Amino acid sequence: DVKVTQSSRYLVKRTGEKVFLECVQDMDHENMFWYRQDPGLGLRLIYFSYDVKMKEKGDIPEGYSVSREKKERFSLILESASTNQTSMYLCASSSRGYRGRKETQYFGPGTRLLVL
Amino acid sequence: GENVEQHPSTLSVQEGDSAVIKCTYSDSASNYFPWYKQELGKRPQLIIDIRSNVGEKKDQRIAVTLNKTAKHFSLHITETQPEDSAVYFCAASRYGGSQGNLIFGKGTKLSVKP
Repeated sequence: DVKVTQSSRYLVKRTGEKVFLECVQDMDHENMFWYRQDPGLGLRLIYFSYDVKMKEKGDIPEGYSVSREKKERFSLILESASTNQTSMYLCASSSRGYRGRKETQYFGPGTRLLVL
Repeated sequence: GENVEQHPSTLSVQEGDSAVIKCTYSDSASNYFPWYKQELGKRPQLIIDIRSNVGEKKDQRIAVTLNKTAKHFSLHITETQPEDSAVYFCAASRYGGSQGNLIFGKGTKLSVKP
């Protein structure tokens, strides 16, 4: 059973703080993703990583950075949190889809971040 | 790049009726189309997917159809039940690519009234 976990379910931070959101998966997946989810806007991709130390910008990378030092762990960093970054953040992971493995994305439970 | 549009944004049906959600995509090279269900307060979970070499796939009360020529795909739920109430997301991806990117639609909030 695939398990994707996120470090916090709820987080309250102040404007200007540095925020770390961590995601861990236990399925040896190559790909990992960070999305933010806002009402009416669906799931928007912030960053993704297809291998250790590799990262690619998604659709809305501004104000965010990521780190992938180990295969199972993908961190999202808000360098200086702002109120417009208040949102639900979802992490996901997937296999590359070779050797019969499906490339289905499996999501973590989400972190609801409030920036005051 | 790929763009996915999803309609309607909200859908209300009576229990037992059918529900249909439609999505269109822009990149003709897209060849993997999953559907996710997100119940209130929970994570999105895959409910069904289809690849571009198949026109239709069914799993109990849920079916997905794909029209590659028109570049649209649809989710059909028959005999709806209150537990089908959720937000449904369609997505499109390139199969076999190393990145496995999914582009999501904006979601459809389905309400099934008892």
